Amino acid sequence: DIRMTQSPASLSASLGETVNIECLASEDIYSDLAWYQQKPGKSPQLLIYNANSLQNGVPSRFSGSGSGTQYSLKINSLQSEDVATYFCQQYNNYPPTFGSGTKLEIK
Amino acid sequence: EVKLQQSGDELVRPGASVKMSCKASGYTFTDYAMHWVKQSPGQGLEWIGTIIPLIDTTSYNQKFKGKATLTADKSSNTAYMELSRLTSEDSAVYYCARSPITIAASYYVMDAWGQGASVTVSS
Repeated sequence: DIRMTQSPASLSASLGETVNIECLASEDIYSDLAWYQQKPGKSPQLLIYNANSLQNGVPSRFSGSGSGTQYSLKINSLQSEDVATYFCQQYNNYPPTFGSGTKLEIK
Repeated sequence: EVKLQQSGDELVRPGASVKMSCKASGYTFTDYAMHWVKQSPGQGLEWIGTIIPLIDTTSYNQKFKGKATLTADKSSNTAYMELSRLTSEDSAVYYCARSPITIAASYYVMDAWGQGASVTVSS
C-alpha cells in the first residue's frame, strides 16, 4: 500500500495568515490526490481533488498543488471556521490510502 | 440536499457481529458508489471497501476481507455494512461516503459523507 506522510502533525496560526500543509507519497501518484477537512466532531468533507481542483462550494482561499510524490494544501487568509484536521488521500494505487492528518488551530 | 444518514452508535460484545446502515437521499442512489471508511485513533482513516448498488458489485481492502460485508437495497436507497467476529481492534467510528461511478481513479474521491457511527467492542 502507498504510505502518505503528512506534515506538520499539528499547526497553530493566526487569523489572516497563510498556512501550508504537506503530503508526501511513498511513490508517484500522478496527481491522484484529494484533501479533506474534518471539523471537530464532524465527518470529513472534500476540499480538493486531482491535486488542484476545488470542490464545488469550497472557498477559494483553499488551493492545492503538487505532482509526483509531493503535494500541498494552502489556506490563504485563515478564518476561525478553518479550525479542523486536514487529511490527504491518494487514489492512484489500490487500495486508496490516507495521511495521518494535520490538526490546525488558531493562535 | 445530499444526505447520508447513518444508524446509531453500537456497543457490542467481543465475538459478536454488528450491521449498520446508511440511508441516502437527495440524489439518485444508483448513480453513485458507496464507500465505507474506518476512523480510529491509532490507525487514522482506512478505506474498507465499496459497493456499486446499480450492479451489486463490491470490492474490499484486503485488510478487511472476511471482516466486512457490504450490501445495498435499491428499493430503500440504503447501504449496509456488517462487521463480524468483533474484537477491540474494531472499536472505531465508521463512515459511509459516496463517489461518482467512473472508470477514472477519481472513483475513490468521496464527495459526501455520513455523520459516522461509533462501534465500541466491550464485554
